[in-house]
Amino acid sequence: TQLLEQSPQFLSIQEGENLTVYCNSSSVFSSLQWYRQEPGEGPVLLVTVVTGGEVKKLKRLTFQFGDARKDSSLHITAAQPGDTGLYLCAGVFSNYQLIWGAGTKLIIKP
Amino acid sequence: ETGVTQTPRHLVMGMTNKKSLKCEQHLGHNAMYWYKQSAKKPLELMFVYSLEERVENNSVPSRFSPECPNSSHLFLHLHTLQPEDSALYLCASSQEGGFNYGYTFGSGTRLTVV
Repeated sequence: TQLLEQSPQFLSIQEGENLTVYCNSSSVFSSLQWYRQEPGEGPVLLVTVVTGGEVKKLKRLTFQFGDARKDSSLHITAAQPGDTGLYLCAGVFSNYQLIWGAGTKLIIKP
Repeated sequence: ETGVTQTPRHLVMGMTNKKSLKCEQHLGHNAMYWYKQSAKKPLELMFVYSLEERVENNSVPSRFSPECPNSSHLFLHLHTLQPEDSALYLCASSQEGGFNYGYTFGSGTRLTVV
């Protein structure tokens, strides 16, 4: 069974702090996608990383794809209350073939 | 309307009822999906349609029946559900299989089976 493990499952921190969320697997992916889901809404795509070792930045969010394309991390600098949400990673094998992590629930307290 | 629209947003149904969930996408995508989301569990892919043909059915119980009349609309027909079917049902669309540009999700239907 292919698994994609996210850690931590839950994180509650103060505004202004930094944090890192991890997504790990024993499988090699063609690409990996990160989504954020706010309460009462569907997930929204943040980024797709494709190349091993790739780093992408989205304002205060930094995404990294592992060299072996088995893992990824999301680092948030100076977290804001607007960053609150459920962060999901999805490992992509090919079109229509992907697996999802269970998510990291992030709460940023003012 | 833009994006992916799902109706209804909330649904409470008895185990003997028949109901349908509706999804419409306004993005010109050629693939549509039904996902089940339960707390603390990964998203579960239920059905995939590409160009209105079913591509994948992940061993979903027959009490769930999908219908894709055209590339913009997707339905999920529900009958004789069980309480464990209570969950958030998400519809998504993508261009081809979502490999490059990911998936666009609707806001979901929160289903409660009583």
